[in-house]
Amino acid sequence: SQTIHQWPATLVQPVGSPLSLECTVEGTSNPNLYWYRQAAGRGLQLLFYSVGIGQISSEVPQNLSASRPQDRQFILSSKKLLLSDSGFYLCAWSLTGTTDTQYFGPGTRLTVL
Amino acid sequence: GQQVMQIPQYQHVQEGEDFTTYCNSSTTLSNIQWYKQRPGGHPVFLIQLVKSGEVKKQKRLTFQFGEAKKNSSLHITATQTTDVGTYFCAGPKLDKIIFGKGTRLHILP
Repeated sequence: SQTIHQWPATLVQPVGSPLSLECTVEGTSNPNLYWYRQAAGRGLQLLFYSVGIGQISSEVPQNLSASRPQDRQFILSSKKLLLSDSGFYLCAWSLTGTTDTQYFGPGTRLTVL
Repeated sequence: GQQVMQIPQYQHVQEGEDFTTYCNSSTTLSNIQWYKQRPGGHPVFLIQLVKSGEVKKQKRLTFQFGEAKKNSSLHITATQTTDVGTYFCAGPKLDKIIFGKGTRLHILP
């Protein structure tokens, strides 16, 4: 069966520091991968998605970037965090298409101080 | 652009009462998906509806897809404390899915 991992689970970072969040999927090949951000008590904002290694689509222009160095690995990064980057970051995967059912990881809670 | 609107934003019900959340799209959807997010947790896929007028049931949960494929509903019969959470609908837009803002369900004991 497929599993999705995210780490770290929680993170507290100062403003201006770099960020690297990692997501890996097990038990499947060539998944579509997604990064979402959820502000406290709010909906899901799609940040990036990828349909293959090295292929990244950006939905929201901001100081975040994403990379997919391996088939089942998706990384979210920032060179300098802003206060507004605080939130719950969720990685998800789907198999047959980017409009198909998505399966979410446990998420990373990021607090920028 | 295409939006997926959900109402209500919040709902408080007494345990044992029924609950319904509604999802409306400005355009026809090829499918509608429903997810549940428990407090402090991550969204979990519940169900996908594809056919016009489709009705599916999962125990106390009943999902409907409108005849015009522009609206959907989730109805919970006799709510329990385990039903607490936020329920999201989602529909395809071009090459991705768009999530509604969710309905947060609170259960009063």
